[in-house]
Amino acid sequence: ETGVTQSPTHLIKTRGQQVTLRCSSQSGHNTVSWYQQALGQGPQFIFQYYREEENGRGNFPPRFSGLQFPNYSSELNVNALELDDSALYLCASSLEGMGSEQYFGPGTRLTVT
Amino acid sequence: QQQVKQSPQSLIVQKGGISIINCAYENTAFDYFPWYQQFPGKGPALLIAIRPDVSEKKEGRFTISFNKSAKQFSLHIMDSQPGDSATYFCAASINAGNMLTFGGGTRLMVKP
Repeated sequence: ETGVTQSPTHLIKTRGQQVTLRCSSQSGHNTVSWYQQALGQGPQFIFQYYREEENGRGNFPPRFSGLQFPNYSSELNVNALELDDSALYLCASSLEGMGSEQYFGPGTRLTVT
Repeated sequence: QQQVKQSPQSLIVQKGGISIINCAYENTAFDYFPWYQQFPGKGPALLIAIRPDVSEKKEGRFTISFNKSAKQFSLHIMDSQPGDSATYFCAASINAGNMLTFGGGTRLMVKP
């Protein structure tokens, strides 16, 4: 069984740029959630995708957007990067729309300068 | 977002001792309470989880105690080992697969 994978591992962007982060869910999982973890803090929910549809969103502005593909992999896109967007971005996958545990990937460390 | 408050922020325990981390929540609709362990540079790993129909759940050295009336739950790590040194997060959600609301984390150090 393959776990959750994310790419890239880390990247550095300049304020105002756009970034795309990628996530491959655990085998058989059809739900993907994205979280932002600032240094020294707990993860904060960005949004969730279930069967290619957004299925819940946290308190993040519209410049944070996402996609889920038919193979259940997912992308997180962030436009007009701000310095405060520097964080570890975590992807978690689970089985079915609700009711099963979420398993996290290793994260992508984004630094905005 | 509904808050989950976690304490202490940091904890130092001797090898073989008991580590206790506490969390309190506000939203009575929460019905799933997991604990995650996170090592530096890694994603959170699910340790153990509980639902409010039981007051305690034990898996190996890890035990969750749950007090529904007080809206509190805690993680006990028995016989703590240096390899347990990590940051621990409690979380809560309405249904396991939905948005998780995390506590602020507890950095545990187990001294040999």
